[in-house]
Parts: sequence; structure tokens; C-alpha cells
Amino acid sequence: QSALTQPRSVSGSPGQSVTISCTGTSSDVGGYNYVSWYQQHPGKAPKLMIYDVSKRPSGVPDRFSGSKSGNTASLTISGLQAEDEADYYCCSYAGSYTFWVFGGGTKLTVL
Amino acid sequence: QVQLQESGPGLVKPSQTLSLTCTVSGGSISSGSYYWSWIRQPAGKGLEWIGRIYTSGSTNYNPSLKSRVTISVDTSKNQFSLKLSSVTAADTAVYYCARDNRATDAFDIWGQGTMVTVSS
Repeated sequence: QSALTQPRSVSGSPGQSVTISCTGTSSDVGGYNYVSWYQQHPGKAPKLMIYDVSKRPSGVPDRFSGSKSGNTASLTISGLQAEDEADYYCCSYAGSYTFWVFGGGTKLTVL
Repeated sequence: QVQLQESGPGLVKPSQTLSLTCTVSGGSISSGSYYWSWIRQPAGKGLEWIGRIYTSGSTNYNPSLKSRVTISVDTSKNQFSLKLSSVTAADTAVYYCARDNRATDAFDIWGQGTMVTVSS
């Protein structure tokens, strides 16, 4: 059982927007602004998409955005494209004992 | 650009020690801007952070694995390594090494991953 809770799956049609939630506690998501999101295509390594809750690394399309409210972080993908179909994982800093915790992952299907 | 590459045995017997090495190319492992982490992913499951090391040799471990994990660094070879002792079938997973960027508080570069199976 993962420390952070994500929906198992979400779906959307091309051009639509989807939001993936990531729920933790005040000891991780709610306590720090160190939430990151990763995209993983089958058989590939994860790729960093969002860091520090809402910042995008160079090269990541601005269709990807992140936010946080209380103990829940969210990843929103707008203007869905076929290549966005992948698994998405959230990650949060959880203090100087646990350090890093991940969500269980969400499978995004582009219909 | 910086690249990471995992290497090590793909098959380990139960109760033995899993040993993997991550080679960093295109940059120095001695840079003070990064930690160097190990992360694993059982088939069809989520990611689990195992632990990390700083260039100084300082380490941090996942509390659930701490008693069995040792991460070390060899700056002369630009490598860092993972040892996981007393393995069981539950340790079967793809093991990734990743760069933990202190500026972004995230894992910004990953190796391709290596599959390790625990079986007799």
C-alpha cells in the first residue's frame, strides 16, 4: 500500500482536460511544497513532469500543470494528446525520517 | 548531458545480497548539487524510494528497508552502489538509479532500470 493515494485510472478524449489527484497527510503533501509528478510509458523509466508542486522542467509542455490544496496535490493535463497516455506518479517529501514517498500511480487512457 | 546506467546480476537467490551499481556519465557525481538515489518498482506496481547518498558519503534510507540497505559511492569511478541483504521474492523489481536534484527537490534524471528477480 502506497503512502500517497491516487485514483487507479482516469480517461479523457483528445483535446479535453483531465486532473489526477494525489492525497497524503499533513506529514507529507500538506506539510511541504515538495511535490513532484512523473510520467511513465510502458517499459520506460519515469520522466519528471512537475516539481515543487507547480513548476515545469525545461521541455515539458505547458499543457501540464500542478497545484496543491491542503493534503491533496493535483496534476492537470489540458489539450490531451495521444502521447499523454501513460502512468503518472506523484511523489512528496515526508520529512527527515521518511524522506520521499510515492503514490500508487494512475493510468491515463486517451480515448 | 548526464546519463545514469544501472548494472548488476539479474537473478539473486533468496537470503542472499542484491548488489547493483549505477554509473554516472556526462557529469560528476561529486557535484554538491545532487543526491543520488535508488528507487524500485515491482512488476505492475508503484514506485518505492529505497535510499540516497550524497557525495560526502552521507546516506538516508527508507525506514522500511533501512535494516537491509547499504548505499555507497565511489567518486573515482563516478559510481554509486546499492546492497540489499536477505532478499526474498518481495524484492523482485525493476531497480532504478536516479539523480535527486537539490534545486528542484525531485528526481530529474533516471537510469533505464534493471530487472532483478529473486528466485532459487
